[in-house]
Amino acid sequence: SQKIEQNSEALNIQEGKTATLTCNYTNYSPAYLQWYRQDPGRGPVFLLLIRENEKEKRKERLKVTFDTTLKQSLFHITASQPADSATYLCALSEKLTFGTGTRLTIIP
Amino acid sequence: DAGVIQSPRHEVTEMGQEVTLRCKPISGHNSLFWYRQTMMRGLELLIYFNNNVPIDDSGMPEDRFSAKMPNASFSTLKIQPSEPRDSAVYFCASLVTSGNTIYFGEGSWLTVV
Repeated sequence: SQKIEQNSEALNIQEGKTATLTCNYTNYSPAYLQWYRQDPGRGPVFLLLIRENEKEKRKERLKVTFDTTLKQSLFHITASQPADSATYLCALSEKLTFGTGTRLTIIP
Repeated sequence: DAGVIQSPRHEVTEMGQEVTLRCKPISGHNSLFWYRQTMMRGLELLIYFNNNVPIDDSGMPEDRFSAKMPNASFSTLKIQPSEPRDSAVYFCASLVTSGNTIYFGEGSWLTVV
């Protein structure tokens, strides 16, 4: 069956460190993968898109990798700040299917 | 641009009542999506429209749920009759077909008691 899994429900990281979130999928062949941020009481907001032929994409302190062999994407936030605390969702291009999200907390 | 606009933001209703959620997509976006989000199941796609035509409604949980898009600037999601297990946040989102980025509304928080 098709599945999208994000490595953990919650992740606590010390301010200034790099936060790494994982998105694994099975029985999909996405043309691209996206990452979204969701704050409490708000709708998800698009952050980054990476295509199947791209290994890595960067935007300011954010970096996304995409390994179609491992069927995995990693999402990194470098020099993390308390304002980065939110839930982060990955989404596959196939029917724009979302993972359940990882709640990230950056501890001052 | 005002973004995707949803109403109501919050609704509390009694079991058995009809619920209608409304959405105005971003002007010029020709794809519209309805999602449901719960703690247990995350964000689930219910139905999506392209150029006002329903393309895939396989995520609609049962016949109690229906969605319409009478024109490019308005869509409704109706639940009749509502049940407590329908309690969730319902998101509407829109997309330019030539693009890949979905823009979400702020959600309609539904509680059925």
